[in-house]
Amino acid sequence: AQKITQTQPGMFVQEKEAVTLDCTYDTSDPSYGLFWYKQPSSGEMIFLIYQGSYDQQNATEGRYSLNFQKARKSANLVISASQLGDSAMYFCAMRVEDTGNQFYFGTGTSLTVIP
Amino acid sequence: DTEVTQTPKHLVMGMTNKKSLKCEQHMGHRAMYWYKQKAKKPPELMFVYSYEKLSINESVPSRFSPECPNSSLLNLHLHALQPEDSALYLCASSQLSGREYNEQFFGPGTRLTVL
Repeated sequence: AQKITQTQPGMFVQEKEAVTLDCTYDTSDPSYGLFWYKQPSSGEMIFLIYQGSYDQQNATEGRYSLNFQKARKSANLVISASQLGDSAMYFCAMRVEDTGNQFYFGTGTSLTVIP
Repeated sequence: DTEVTQTPKHLVMGMTNKKSLKCEQHMGHRAMYWYKQKAKKPPELMFVYSYEKLSINESVPSRFSPECPNSSLLNLHLHALQPEDSALYLCASSQLSGREYNEQFFGPGTRLTVL
């Protein structure tokens, strides 16, 4: 069975500071992809960053980086230099080769950036 | 064009009404998805279409009826809904699964209210 766990229901961060959002996953499939999405109050799910199970380096996209620790089965999202516009729900998701086109989502973390 | 469009943006319907949600993408994706999402919760998978054929149906009540007329369009027909069906309905598309995983692209969603 595939599972994604996000243990932080809510997080606060000061503007311009860095913040780490936790994500752990469980799968027995050796081939999988891990994704982070941002969902502002408007509702649209915005893709942020992707990490493949065979990738040797941690993914980075602008202010977003993914701290991928395969042995610990964790894929934490790091947001540097937080901005007020980063306030949103953040979801970690996984796709595995065995179940093909299905995506598995964590319960999400609500991030609030404080001015 | 990396966009998924959904219409309508908002929908209010009575329990005896019949309505349809529409989703469209022109990225050549052959996997398309319907999700239901309640506030502050992760998206719940409803249906997955692969190559225009229904491949996953997550035990959704028959009052929700999906349709995939062609590779670019996805509809969700609604009939005799209940107030608890009020939610944000998200459509998404992705490349079919392969060794290189691809993210889902989400539409802006339809906010459905059932009176």
